[in-house]
Amino acid sequence: ETGVTQTPRHLVMGMTNKKSLKCEQHLGHNAMYWYKQSAKKPLELMFVYNFKEQTENNSVPSRFSPECPNSSHLFLHLHTLQPEDSALYLCASSQDSTSGRTDTQYFGPGTRLTVL
Amino acid sequence: QKEVEQNSGPLSVPEGAIASLNCTYSDRGSQSFFWYRQYSGKSPELIMSIYSNGDKEDGRFTAQLNKASQYVSLLIRDSQPSDSATYLCAVWGSNYQLIWGAGTKLIIKP
Repeated sequence: ETGVTQTPRHLVMGMTNKKSLKCEQHLGHNAMYWYKQSAKKPLELMFVYNFKEQTENNSVPSRFSPECPNSSHLFLHLHTLQPEDSALYLCASSQDSTSGRTDTQYFGPGTRLTVL
Repeated sequence: QKEVEQNSGPLSVPEGAIASLNCTYSDRGSQSFFWYRQYSGKSPELIMSIYSNGDKEDGRFTAQLNKASQYVSLLIRDSQPSDSATYLCAVWGSNYQLIWGAGTKLIIKP
């Protein structure tokens, strides 16, 4: 589909569970992103990593914890989530998040998360 | 609060007609503008980007930008049923982040 893959594609978890989302990009990019997409709402940027360094954390609750071991892999660790956290979680990558206005983001297929 | 506004739709257009999608933004310092298409159950994919005032054409798609009016639009000529999707407008803001609209759902009727 694209050069960005995400696993799992679907996840159902209880509020006391701990789970992790995985993203991998095969495009040689240096920036990776986590977005939350809820119905009829704009994409919400959660975290940005550029050259493995976290550059943005848009006031995301601590029950979401990102990890970026290298420029190709990105994880989102989840614990004690709430039902309102149910959404589509999208990973994206781009060449360099600081390169400015021409930097294009490419998205993975997303993980549909349901919190019971 | 920097915002990007789109009419949520659905916008219904007959097959073969021109579909016109609109987007307004609040950040006057914005420099780059993107249109993404998102099919139901799929992730967004880039279809057009525009940086300068005026029109930019790519096949059946034309992006139009008017920075004075803080307005960007996407025209789809000879609309096909396969164009039915949600179209997301994204604006690279002066805070060095992409600001996203909520999207317009487009339905092309055969």
